[in-house]
Amino acid sequence: GQNIDQPTEMTATEGAIVQINCTYQTSGFNGLFWYQQHAGEAPTFLSYNVLDGLEEKGRFSSFLSRSKGYSYLLLKELQMKDSASYLCAVRGTYKYIFGTGTRLKVLA
Amino acid sequence: ETGVTQTPRHLVMGMTNKKSLKCEQHLGHNAMYWYKQSAKKPLELMFVYNFKEQTENNSVPSRFSPECPNSSHLFLHLHTLQPEDSALYLCASSQDRRANYGYTFGSGTRLTVV
Repeated sequence: GQNIDQPTEMTATEGAIVQINCTYQTSGFNGLFWYQQHAGEAPTFLSYNVLDGLEEKGRFSSFLSRSKGYSYLLLKELQMKDSASYLCAVRGTYKYIFGTGTRLKVLA
Repeated sequence: ETGVTQTPRHLVMGMTNKKSLKCEQHLGHNAMYWYKQSAKKPLELMFVYNFKEQTENNSVPSRFSPECPNSSHLFLHLHTLQPEDSALYLCASSQDRRANYGYTFGSGTRLTVV
């Protein structure tokens, strides 16, 4: 079967670093995406990994290991506005498979 | 604003009502999608349109009826819904069906069936 696993909820403190993990089992792999979704708003694109390694974009970084079926999203210098759900999605051959999302709460 | 606009943002309807959700994008994308987002569940793909043609119906009940009159507009017609159909309905678009660069999502319509 195809599935994506990510933690349901995480809590972190403002200014800290948090790592959100995603493991996947899919038929075919053509890239892994992370989206951010604030409550009541559209999911917005954060990052894309198709090769192994780390992609850094400002305070956000995303890592991929295809052999392990594993990715993580790293958020540094957390801000209150980072409180949101983070969706991991894998593009298979022609389909996207989404995880349930990780709801991150950033505390002052 | 993401470039994908959905209306209405909120909708409450009875089980015997008929209503429609609307999605509009002016990004020049050729593929459009309807997704259902329920609490604690992954996004569920419902329908896919590519160049106005439906290319995928993910075993969606017939009480949901999509319509795509052109590449910029997508509708979801609703009738005789059930309470379990209450969810956030997201529209998305991509350059083409391969969606190499991911999706652009709308903010969704929060549907409550009473």
